Amino acid sequence: NAGVTQTPKFQVLKTGQSMTLQCAQDMNHEYMSWYRQDPGMGLRLIHYSVGAGITDQGEVPNGYNVSRSTTEDFPLRLLSAAPSQTSVYFCASSLAGGSYEQFFGPGTRLTVL
Amino acid sequence: LAKTTQPISMDSYEGQEVNITCSHNNIATNDYITWYQQFPSQGPRFIIQGYKTKVTNEVASLFIPADRKSSTLSLPRVSLSDTAVYYCLVVAGGGNKLTFGTGTQLKVEL
Repeated sequence: NAGVTQTPKFQVLKTGQSMTLQCAQDMNHEYMSWYRQDPGMGLRLIHYSVGAGITDQGEVPNGYNVSRSTTEDFPLRLLSAAPSQTSVYFCASSLAGGSYEQFFGPGTRLTVL
Repeated sequence: LAKTTQPISMDSYEGQEVNITCSHNNIATNDYITWYQQFPSQGPRFIIQGYKTKVTNEVASLFIPADRKSSTLSLPRVSLSDTAVYYCLVVAGGGNKLTFGTGTQLKVEL
């Protein structure tokens, strides 16, 4: 199993550009989520999904969109990048229904100029 | 969800036992306590979770007193490779959303 994979590892954008961060898992997990981590801070939840076709907002959803068309994939779209979105983005997955062991991907380091 | 409070940093030496205490005064009846470890430039990794009393696995122990207002993560005989940030989280029973604080930066030296 590859676990949770994220692409790209690094990305530089200009203000106003859009892009999609990819996340995939091969563990047949129902629950997937996106977090961002700013320097010296803990992770903050952006969006999450409890299964294909179901998504919901987390703590900091503004400026981001998600969709979940398959169990395996959970892409995160930045609609119009802003410097405040410079951060490290982590995707995670777990079994649904209260499994506390979430598996995190290696992260995507995004810089918005 | 209950807010957690833990020390910002701790220092230790190789071979020592390290105890990191977390307070969560407003924990609800159905909440669980979970700890994650994060190395630089990596995603967090699950360490242990518990509801009450003591839980032990191959890497750590988790002690939770009867009132559940605090918990202590115990790392036996730490090594340099245990240098990381440790997060204490309270997770609603049946839920999956994680709320991270700033964690405890543990530094292990020779």
